[in-house]
Amino acid sequence: GALVYQYPRRTICKSGTSMRMECQAVGFQATSVAWYRQSPQKTFELIALSTVNSAIKYEQNFTQEKFPISHPNLSFSSMTVLNAYLEDRGLYLCGARDLGSQNTLYFGAGTRLSVL
Amino acid sequence: GDSVTQTEGPVTVSESESLIINCTYSATSIAYPNLFWYVRYPGEGLQLLLKVITAGQKGSSRGFEATYNKETTSFHLQKASVQESDSAVYYCALANTGNYKYVFGAGTRLKVIA
Repeated sequence: GALVYQYPRRTICKSGTSMRMECQAVGFQATSVAWYRQSPQKTFELIALSTVNSAIKYEQNFTQEKFPISHPNLSFSSMTVLNAYLEDRGLYLCGARDLGSQNTLYFGAGTRLSVL
Repeated sequence: GDSVTQTEGPVTVSESESLIINCTYSATSIAYPNLFWYVRYPGEGLQLLLKVITAGQKGSSRGFEATYNKETTSFHLQKASVQESDSAVYYCALANTGNYKYVFGAGTRLKVIA
């Protein structure tokens, strides 16, 4: 079946530092990857959509300068939170899709980011 | 804009009792929204529970059911008899056909007690 692994599962970084999280698709080709964030007491917000061989599309309030994303092949994507501050804490989810699943996303368990 | 509103949790239900988690949506920019229920068990990621892409149809999985009602813009999740293992957070979501930009509800935490 389709599986998505995210790592690390939890991480703590000091305010002003950066943190990279990774997303691995197993059992299918992740032609598209969506990164979401769930901040405390909020629902999931879309950060950006990444499709292999296409430009990455960032949602309003999220920028490439703050959340650079790499999607070099059909099984891997990474996102970095640059210059993290308290408002960046939360659960970051990666959702991946293959061509055969229409618009169904398969999600990883997430990376929980705490900022000190 | 597009939005999803669902039952505010936590919801506590006794084992073997019935369950309904309400979900209503507003799809102002999506002509034919696809509707989903995802579930998140403790320590795990979001798992697709069921999805329905056509209005009027019902989706079902693991004893859960939801009917896509375009007239009432609803997609309520129901189960006739819950088990302790159903304890989790349930998310209602919508997306455009062929688009993986999901709009999620706030989530409903369900606790099933013995």
